[in-house]
Amino acid sequence: DAGVTQSPTHLIKTRGQHVTLRCSPISGHKSVSWYQQVLGQGPQFIFQYYEKEERGRGNFPDRFSARQFPNYSSELNVNALLLGDSALYLCASSPFGRGSYNEQFFGPGTRLTVL
Amino acid sequence: GESVGLHLPTLSVQEGDNSIINCAYSNSASDYFIWYKQESGKGPQFIIDIRSNMDKRQGQRVTVLLNKTVKHLSLQIAATQPGDSAVYFCAEKRSGGGADGLTFGKGTHLIIQP
Repeated sequence: DAGVTQSPTHLIKTRGQHVTLRCSPISGHKSVSWYQQVLGQGPQFIFQYYEKEERGRGNFPDRFSARQFPNYSSELNVNALLLGDSALYLCASSPFGRGSYNEQFFGPGTRLTVL
Repeated sequence: GESVGLHLPTLSVQEGDNSIINCAYSNSASDYFIWYKQESGKGPQFIIDIRSNMDKRQGQRVTVLLNKTVKHLSLQIAATQPGDSAVYFCAEKRSGGGADGLTFGKGTHLIIQP
């Protein structure tokens, strides 16, 4: 069975540009969460989507947005890129919207570099 | 602000020895804790989890201990192997609310020496 897949693997952008990152959850999973992991730090929660609706948002500016499609895949969009947006962007899928033991399975991430 | 943190950034152990990785959390409302392993170039991989109504949970070669009195979490790895080399993160999820967003600590880099 395929795990969580993300595309692209690597991406280089310049300041001010926008970027779209994509995630396909594990088959049967309806929830997708996005995390940002800066080098040397733990992942930070950005968004959670469940059944195509935003269920939670972390402490990120409005330049960050996301959506979930009917097939439960998801896109993360970042506008007006800043140097500080350089990070590994992780997508995690889980079977349910919330609840203990709603294990989150992470994808390999997209490495974004902003120059 | 409230956060999950780790006591040691790097832990070096001999192959075959037991490893103990520690984690402190500050939010008493947290009800679910998870340990993840992250190898270079990969996403975090689930190791083991524990609910706040438990104080110990065992898996294959791993044990998680939860001490709610002092808000402390630990991961014990028995008979460490070279493949255990990675960065280990503890993460917490807080009860209530509508989202399952996890709060991660900064991580401990476990180095296995031959």
